[in-house]
Amino acid sequence: EVQVVESGGGLVKPGGSLRLSCAASGFTFSRYTMNWVRQAPGEGLEWVSSITSSSGYIDYANSVKGRFTISRDNAKNSVYLQMNSLRAEDTAVYYCARLMTTVTNWGAFDIWGQGTVVTVS
Amino acid sequence: DIQMTQSPSSLSASVGDRVTITCRASQGISNYLAWYQQKPGTVPKLLIYAASTLQSGVPSRFSGSGSGSDFTLTISSLQPEDVATYYCQKYDSALATFGQGTKVEIK
Repeated sequence: EVQVVESGGGLVKPGGSLRLSCAASGFTFSRYTMNWVRQAPGEGLEWVSSITSSSGYIDYANSVKGRFTISRDNAKNSVYLQMNSLRAEDTAVYYCARLMTTVTNWGAFDIWGQGTVVTVS
Repeated sequence: DIQMTQSPSSLSASVGDRVTITCRASQGISNYLAWYQQKPGTVPKLLIYAASTLQSGVPSRFSGSGSGSDFTLTISSLQPEDVATYYCQKYDSALATFGQGTKVEIK
């Protein structure tokens, strides 16, 4: 089964740090661009960051640039999000999502995890 | 940055009604647009990509159209299981911006 599973969420104080992990299975992870998307309580979806298959291209939403770092380990079929200098407004469910195509670096997201909850308080 | 604006923000319709949701990009994005469905308490699900291509397994009552800066998602005959919030997303670059969402309810 093609799936991604997030972990690492929790309660952290403002200014603190947290590292999220996303473990992939059922597909050739090393060929796909991976993304993090978040959803604050009662709010809509916000794209956070993306990393291409070989980590050659990385980008961030302006709201997290300079504070969050995305990385991946293709040998472990995993992608990570290191979150530093956390703020109350970072409170959200964080989803890991796969880009549906391996042909380009941009596209729709076809596989989503169940999400991991981050609470900054 | 390109902004995505959906309308309406919510709607209520009867079972069997035709429902249309609009998404407008602040700049042209060709057909680099996707639609997602998020039912209450669940994970977003990809419905349509490339503005009008139905994702595998999605019921044919869903359709998408548009190009450039104006796009629509249509549900031809609303069903009770379609109660959800629908999001558009542009992906013409790595900044994959979502619209604010349209909540669809049954009247």
